[in-house]
Amino acid sequence: QLQLQESGPGLVKPSETLSLTCTVSGGSISSSSYYWGWIRQPPGKGLEWIGSIYYSGSTYYNPSLKSRVTISVDTSKNQFSLKLSSVTAADTAVYYCARHKRVRGVFNWFDPWGQGTLVTVSS
Amino acid sequence: QSALTQPPSASGSPGQSVTISCTGTSSDVGGYNYVSWYQQHPGKAPKLMIYEVSKRPSGVPDRFSGSKSGNTASLTVSGLQAEDEADYYCSSYAGSNNLVFGTGTKVTVL
Repeated sequence: QLQLQESGPGLVKPSETLSLTCTVSGGSISSSSYYWGWIRQPPGKGLEWIGSIYYSGSTYYNPSLKSRVTISVDTSKNQFSLKLSSVTAADTAVYYCARHKRVRGVFNWFDPWGQGTLVTVSS
Repeated sequence: QSALTQPPSASGSPGQSVTISCTGTSSDVGGYNYVSWYQQHPGKAPKLMIYEVSKRPSGVPDRFSGSKSGNTASLTVSGLQAEDEADYYCSSYAGSNNLVFGTGTKVTVL
Protein backbone atom coordinates (compact mmCIF):
# COMPACT_ATOMS: atom_id res chain seq x y z
CA GLN A 1 0.00 0.00 0.00
CA LEU A 2 1.50 3.26 -1.14
CA GLN A 3 2.05 5.81 1.64
CA LEU A 4 3.44 9.33 1.67
CA GLN A 5 4.81 11.23 4.65
CA GLU A 6 5.75 14.90 4.84
CA SER A 7 8.56 16.12 7.07
CA GLY A 8 10.25 19.42 7.82
CA PRO A 9 10.25 22.43 10.15
CA GLY A 10 6.90 23.53 11.50
CA LEU A 11 8.01 27.13 11.95
CA VAL A 12 9.71 29.37 9.40
CA LYS A 13 10.64 33.03 9.74
CA PRO A 14 9.32 35.63 7.28
CA SER A 15 11.54 36.16 4.22
CA GLU A 16 13.22 32.79 4.73
CA THR A 17 12.83 29.58 2.70
CA LEU A 18 10.34 26.87 3.59
CA SER A 19 11.72 23.36 2.99
CA LEU A 20 9.74 20.12 3.15
CA THR A 21 10.41 16.54 2.11
CA CYS A 22 7.94 13.83 1.18
CA THR A 23 9.00 10.22 1.66
CA VAL A 24 7.23 7.59 -0.44
CA SER A 25 6.92 4.06 0.90
CA GLY A 26 5.21 0.92 -0.38
CA GLY A 27 6.04 1.75 -4.00
CA SER A 28 8.61 3.36 -6.27
CA ILE A 29 8.74 7.06 -6.98
CA SER A 30 10.01 6.05 -10.44
CA SER A 31 6.59 4.76 -11.55
CA SER A 32 5.61 5.79 -15.06
CA SER A 33 2.47 7.91 -15.61
CA TYR A 34 2.67 9.38 -12.15
CA TYR A 35 3.97 12.72 -11.04
CA TRP A 36 4.43 13.67 -7.39
CA GLY A 37 2.78 16.83 -6.18
CA TRP A 38 2.58 19.39 -3.42
CA ILE A 39 -0.71 20.98 -2.36
CA ARG A 40 -1.32 23.41 0.48
CA GLN A 41 -4.30 24.51 2.55
CA PRO A 42 -4.25 27.69 4.69
CA PRO A 43 -6.10 27.27 7.99
CA GLY A 44 -9.84 27.27 7.37
CA LYS A 45 -9.41 27.75 3.63
CA GLY A 46 -9.35 25.74 0.42
CA LEU A 47 -6.76 23.71 -1.43
CA GLU A 48 -4.09 25.15 -3.73
CA TRP A 49 -1.87 23.14 -6.07
CA ILE A 50 1.77 24.19 -5.72
CA GLY A 51 3.49 22.02 -8.30
CA SER A 52 4.41 18.50 -9.39
CA ILE A 53 7.52 16.58 -10.43
CA TYR A 54 8.27 13.43 -12.44
CA TYR A 55 10.99 11.04 -11.36
CA SER A 56 13.10 12.26 -14.28
CA GLY A 57 13.08 15.74 -12.77
CA SER A 58 10.49 17.30 -15.09
CA THR A 59 8.53 19.90 -13.13
CA TYR A 60 5.38 21.96 -13.48
CA TYR A 61 4.39 24.76 -11.12
CA ASN A 62 1.31 26.81 -10.33
CA PRO A 63 1.88 30.06 -12.24
CA SER A 64 0.95 32.11 -9.17
CA LEU A 65 3.80 30.57 -7.15
CA LYS A 66 6.28 29.70 -9.87
CA SER A 67 8.75 32.46 -9.09
CA ARG A 68 9.24 31.21 -5.51
CA VAL A 69 8.91 27.42 -5.85
CA THR A 70 11.46 24.69 -6.50
CA ILE A 71 10.53 21.01 -6.42
CA SER A 72 13.22 18.34 -6.66
CA VAL A 73 13.38 14.55 -6.55
CA ASP A 74 15.82 12.02 -5.08
CA THR A 75 15.00 8.63 -6.56
CA SER A 76 17.69 6.88 -4.48
CA LYS A 77 15.83 7.86 -1.32
CA ASN A 78 12.33 7.62 -2.84
CA GLN A 79 11.75 11.23 -1.82
CA PHE A 80 10.78 14.53 -3.36
CA SER A 81 11.12 17.96 -1.85
CA LEU A 82 9.60 21.43 -1.86
CA LYS A 83 11.34 24.75 -1.38
CA LEU A 84 9.31 27.96 -1.18
CA SER A 85 11.36 31.13 -0.89
CA SER A 86 10.64 34.58 0.57
CA VAL A 87 7.78 33.32 2.70
CA THR A 88 5.23 35.56 4.39
CA ALA A 89 2.40 34.94 6.81
CA ALA A 90 0.21 34.19 3.78
CA ASP A 91 2.24 31.01 3.25
CA THR A 92 1.11 29.59 6.59
CA ALA A 93 -0.72 26.40 5.69
CA VAL A 94 -0.95 22.65 5.96
CA TYR A 95 1.28 21.29 3.20
CA TYR A 96 0.35 17.96 1.64
CA CYS A 97 2.25 15.74 -0.74
CA ALA A 98 0.42 13.35 -3.04
CA ARG A 99 0.85 11.08 -6.03
CA HIS A 100 -0.36 12.94 -9.12
CA LYS A 101 -1.74 11.10 -12.14
CA ARG A 102 -0.92 12.45 -15.57
CA VAL A 103 -2.89 11.09 -18.54
CA ARG A 104 -1.97 11.81 -22.15
CA GLY A 105 -0.01 14.89 -21.07
CA VAL A 106 -2.83 16.22 -18.88
CA PHE A 107 -2.79 16.52 -15.10
CA ASN A 108 -5.50 14.46 -13.44
CA TRP A 109 -6.18 13.26 -9.91
CA PHE A 110 -4.20 13.16 -6.62
CA ASP A 111 -4.16 9.85 -4.73
CA PRO A 112 -3.04 8.94 -2.15
CA TRP A 113 -2.21 11.95 -0.01
CA GLY A 114 0.17 12.31 2.89
CA GLN A 115 -1.27 13.26 6.26
CA GLY A 116 -0.09 16.85 5.86
CA THR A 117 2.18 19.04 7.93
CA LEU A 118 1.41 22.49 9.32
CA VAL A 119 3.98 25.14 8.53
CA THR A 120 3.62 28.47 10.32
CA VAL A 121 5.43 31.57 9.10
CA SER A 122 6.18 33.80 12.04
CA SER A 123 9.08 35.61 13.64
CA GLN B 1 -6.38 31.23 -12.76
CA SER B 2 -9.32 31.65 -10.37
CA ALA B 3 -10.61 28.95 -8.08
CA LEU B 4 -13.64 27.00 -9.27
CA THR B 5 -16.87 28.14 -7.61
CA GLN B 6 -18.68 25.84 -5.18
CA PRO B 7 -21.54 26.64 -2.79
CA PRO B 8 -20.19 27.14 0.75
CA SER B 9 -22.60 24.65 2.23
CA ALA B 10 -25.11 21.91 1.46
CA SER B 11 -27.18 19.66 3.67
CA GLY B 12 -29.56 16.75 3.73
CA SER B 13 -31.17 14.27 6.07
CA PRO B 14 -29.95 10.69 6.34
CA GLY B 15 -31.08 8.69 3.34
CA GLN B 16 -31.64 11.75 1.18
CA SER B 17 -29.47 12.99 -1.70
CA VAL B 18 -27.33 16.09 -1.89
CA THR B 19 -25.76 17.57 -5.00
CA ILE B 20 -22.77 19.91 -5.01
CA SER B 21 -21.93 22.07 -8.01
CA CYS B 22 -18.52 23.15 -9.24
CA THR B 23 -18.58 25.99 -11.76
CA GLY B 24 -15.66 27.01 -13.88
CA THR B 25 -15.12 28.20 -17.42
CA SER B 26 -14.54 26.77 -20.87
CA SER B 27 -10.81 26.93 -20.06
CA ASP B 28 -11.06 24.41 -17.26
CA VAL B 29 -14.21 22.44 -16.33
CA GLY B 30 -15.88 22.99 -19.69
CA GLY B 31 -12.81 22.26 -21.74
CA TYR B 32 -11.66 18.95 -20.29
CA ASN B 33 -13.09 15.77 -18.80
CA TYR B 34 -10.52 15.85 -16.02
CA VAL B 35 -12.64 16.86 -13.05
CA SER B 36 -11.96 15.21 -9.70
CA TRP B 37 -13.74 15.35 -6.35
CA TYR B 38 -12.18 15.01 -2.90
CA GLN B 39 -13.70 14.41 0.54
CA GLN B 40 -11.99 15.90 3.56
CA HIS B 41 -12.95 15.21 7.16
CA PRO B 42 -11.78 17.68 9.82
CA GLY B 43 -8.07 17.42 10.50
CA LYS B 44 -7.61 14.77 7.82
CA ALA B 45 -6.07 14.67 4.37
CA PRO B 46 -8.36 14.84 1.34
CA LYS B 47 -9.51 11.54 -0.17
CA LEU B 48 -10.18 11.00 -3.88
CA MET B 49 -13.85 10.18 -4.46
CA ILE B 50 -14.40 10.80 -8.19
CA TYR B 51 -12.00 11.25 -11.10
CA GLU B 52 -12.41 12.04 -14.80
CA VAL B 53 -15.86 13.52 -14.09
CA SER B 54 -17.69 10.33 -13.20
CA LYS B 55 -15.29 7.47 -12.41
CA ARG B 56 -15.08 6.02 -8.91
CA PRO B 57 -11.82 4.70 -7.46
CA SER B 58 -11.90 1.22 -5.98
CA GLY B 59 -13.42 1.27 -2.53
CA VAL B 60 -15.57 4.38 -2.96
CA PRO B 61 -19.26 3.58 -2.42
CA ASP B 62 -21.51 3.81 -5.46
CA ARG B 63 -23.58 6.34 -3.50
CA PHE B 64 -21.10 8.87 -4.85
CA SER B 65 -21.54 9.89 -8.46
CA GLY B 66 -20.24 12.67 -10.70
CA SER B 67 -21.42 14.40 -13.83
CA LYS B 68 -20.74 17.46 -15.95
CA SER B 69 -22.75 19.82 -18.11
CA GLY B 70 -21.02 22.67 -19.87
CA ASN B 71 -18.83 24.58 -17.44
CA THR B 72 -20.38 23.02 -14.33
CA ALA B 73 -19.51 19.69 -12.75
CA SER B 74 -21.59 18.09 -10.02
CA LEU B 75 -21.10 15.56 -7.25
CA THR B 76 -24.16 13.73 -5.95
CA VAL B 77 -24.21 11.79 -2.71
CA SER B 78 -27.23 9.50 -2.56
CA GLY B 79 -28.49 7.74 0.53
CA LEU B 80 -26.72 10.26 2.74
CA GLN B 81 -25.01 8.78 5.79
CA ALA B 82 -23.56 10.40 8.90
CA GLU B 83 -20.00 9.66 7.77
CA ASP B 84 -20.57 11.67 4.58
CA GLU B 85 -20.48 14.86 6.63
CA ALA B 86 -17.28 16.51 5.44
CA ASP B 87 -15.84 19.17 3.18
CA TYR B 88 -15.81 18.41 -0.53
CA TYR B 89 -13.51 19.95 -3.12
CA CYS B 90 -13.56 19.70 -6.88
CA SER B 91 -10.53 20.16 -9.11
CA SER B 92 -10.04 20.49 -12.83
CA TYR B 93 -7.25 20.57 -15.35
CA ALA B 94 -7.00 24.18 -16.51
CA GLY B 95 -4.79 23.88 -19.57
CA SER B 96 -1.11 24.73 -20.00
CA ASN B 97 -0.09 22.19 -17.36
CA ASN B 98 -2.12 23.97 -14.71
CA LEU B 99 -4.66 22.62 -12.28
CA VAL B 100 -7.22 24.47 -10.16
CA PHE B 101 -9.27 23.48 -7.10
CA GLY B 102 -12.76 24.56 -6.12
CA THR B 103 -13.60 26.76 -3.15
CA GLY B 104 -14.99 23.85 -1.16
CA THR B 105 -18.42 22.86 0.14
CA LYS B 106 -19.26 21.80 3.67
CA VAL B 107 -21.84 19.01 3.65
CA THR B 108 -23.93 18.65 6.79
CA VAL B 109 -26.03 15.61 7.56
CA LEU B 110 -29.05 16.89 9.45
